Amino acid sequence: DTGVSQDPRHKITKRGQNVTFRCDPISEHNRLYWYRQTLGQGPEFLTYFQNEAQLEKSRLLSDRFSAERPKGSFSTLEIQRTEQGDSAMYLCASSLAGATTEAFFGQGTRLTVV
Amino acid sequence: AQSVSQHNHHVILSEAASLELGCNYSYGGTVNLFWYVQYPGQHLQLLLKYFSGDPLVKGIKGFEAEFIKSKFSFNLRKPSVQWSDTAEYFCAVNLGGATNKLIFGTGTLLAVQP
Repeated sequence: DTGVSQDPRHKITKRGQNVTFRCDPISEHNRLYWYRQTLGQGPEFLTYFQNEAQLEKSRLLSDRFSAERPKGSFSTLEIQRTEQGDSAMYLCASSLAGATTEAFFGQGTRLTVV
Repeated sequence: AQSVSQHNHHVILSEAASLELGCNYSYGGTVNLFWYVQYPGQHLQLLLKYFSGDPLVKGIKGFEAEFIKSKFSFNLRKPSVQWSDTAEYFCAVNLGGATNKLIFGTGTLLAVQP
């Protein structure tokens, strides 16, 4: 499968623990996005990379969240000191550069904080 | 702030019925418009997109959407739904520019009864 892959698919963690998610984009895509989706809502933008540079972060992304994309390939999203409100589906998408390009989404990582 | 509204949260139809899902956005400038679909257990997939030109766009699986600029709307239609169209449908916009981040509506859950 040459689509966007995310790992793990599911993560259950205790409040206060740190978690890290990984996203492998489509190989030729230089843009990578993270979104968060909670129950009954559409995906909400968190952050965006062009190659290895993180160019935009949403106000939703608190100081406990950090994202990286070393070497412009895969990306990681880390949440420190998780809270119950962090429970959500975390989606990764990738695309080529350009205003009219399509974003391809992964299946997401479902995080449950207990 | 820019937003996307989907007024139908849940829609139940019988097979062969016609479908129209509403989508309105709030932004006065140029937008790119999308409909994504999420089948049960699968990732978000692009149904169709509008960037410019003919305001009536055709997508996959017999879906189409009409961009009406004066109404800030991009409604999704299908003349005859099938059981396999059961899914969640998301309208999204991007404002172009450097990020191309998507702003999603809250989604419409469509259930097609055989």
